Amino acid sequence: NAGVMQNPRHLVRRRGQEARLRCSPVKGHSHVYWYRQLPEEGLKFMVYLQKENIIDESGMPKERFSAEFPKEGPSILRIQQVVRGDSAAYFCASSPWTSKNYGYTFGSGTRLTVV
Amino acid sequence: AQTVTQSQPEMSVQEAETVTLSCTYDTSESDYYLFWYKQPPSRQMILVIRQEAYKQQNATENRFSVNFQKAAKSFSLKISDSQLGDAAMYFCAYRIPSGSGGSNYKLTFGKGTLLTVNP
Repeated sequence: NAGVMQNPRHLVRRRGQEARLRCSPVKGHSHVYWYRQLPEEGLKFMVYLQKENIIDESGMPKERFSAEFPKEGPSILRIQQVVRGDSAAYFCASSPWTSKNYGYTFGSGTRLTVV
Repeated sequence: AQTVTQSQPEMSVQEAETVTLSCTYDTSESDYYLFWYKQPPSRQMILVIRQEAYKQQNATENRFSVNFQKAAKSFSLKISDSQLGDAAMYFCAYRIPSGSGGSNYKLTFGKGTLLTVNP
């Protein structure tokens, strides 16, 4: 009964490259949430997805960031043309639905370092 | 907008002693949920304890308990008989319940308190 799996655990990218972060939710969970943790900060909501749908992307920067959760396969957070300010830990969480008031199940995060 | 404030960036406690971590929040909602998460060096976010605002009784999970003061909008975490494995960053978080409308799926986090446990 695996939890939320995120990979890679660490990712180093040069400025201008693309970063792709993957998240496999808990089996049976159809809701995925991405959060970003900047140094010395708490987690900040980025985007909420259901299978093949973006429900709320109000926390995503307007440019360079995109997310998807296809019918098959993991959810992907994509950052194009990365800059130093994108360096952070990116966490994925999942839930079976929002009608239950869980605190969600989080993955261990991907630490992105932009050099 | 909801905000969560943790006023103690760092705390330390002796092994086997008790420590209390503070959290205050600001909301205009009457019903909501509060959480404490633990983040050890492994970075895994682990749910420690949860409190429903409509419940007057403070939540307890083994050595972890909360002091929930709704009128004061305060939600502190007490760790009894501290163990070396309790050393971690602790985050307080808030969420409105499903069915409340709006962004009821969003967790709002504080900046965290780094807890050190001394042997």
